[in-house]
Amino acid sequence: GAVVSQHPSWVICKSGTSVKIECRSLDFQATTMFWYRQFPKQSLMLMATSNEGSKATYEQGVEKDKFLINHASLTLSTLTVTSAHPEDSSFYICSAFMGGGEQYFGPGTRLTVT
Amino acid sequence: QKEVEQNSGPLSVPEGAIASLNCTYSDRGSQSFFWYRQYSGKSPELIMSIYSNGDKEDGRFTAQLNKASQYVSLLIRDSQPSDSATYLCAVGSGNTGKLIFGQGTTLQVKP
Repeated sequence: GAVVSQHPSWVICKSGTSVKIECRSLDFQATTMFWYRQFPKQSLMLMATSNEGSKATYEQGVEKDKFLINHASLTLSTLTVTSAHPEDSSFYICSAFMGGGEQYFGPGTRLTVT
Repeated sequence: QKEVEQNSGPLSVPEGAIASLNCTYSDRGSQSFFWYRQYSGKSPELIMSIYSNGDKEDGRFTAQLNKASQYVSLLIRDSQPSDSATYLCAVGSGNTGKLIFGQGTTLQVKP
């Protein structure tokens, strides 16, 4: 149990375009989903907390107009990177929180902006 | 600011040995503690959770928690080369599910 999927697993896009990443909890309902970014050889950086039916809460320094988060249902959250630039190239990972304390991570999406 | 500290390593152990990974945290009110394993290029995988003082064993893994000392550890017995990865210590923050992660300790198990 506790399976989280992400789509796509990798994406290459041109500078200035937007990219949408989906995160789904497959076998449970997630009250909260989290979005992280990870650069090579660095730890996870929390970007935002997403609750179903409400606006996401962004961490300090994360541009909410650039990283749009929509939590449409208890099993789906999406992250849209708008007007992507090469410095946005990173490994984006979502996680789902069941309410019992544990977070389960999706497999991640590797974004490359050219 | 709430912090979680880990030695970045690398920690190198021979195959079959016990690997000991340590973590300290700053928020004395923390109630939930987790160990994640992350292979290079992959996302983190939950391997242990612990909520009360003492030891919790799951197969070759043992998590140890000492809230008075604000210390969490993970022991890996009979280490295998496949255990080579980065191990992330995470501490729960409040009831939101939010986790505070340490920087991770890289473990190398040499055949």
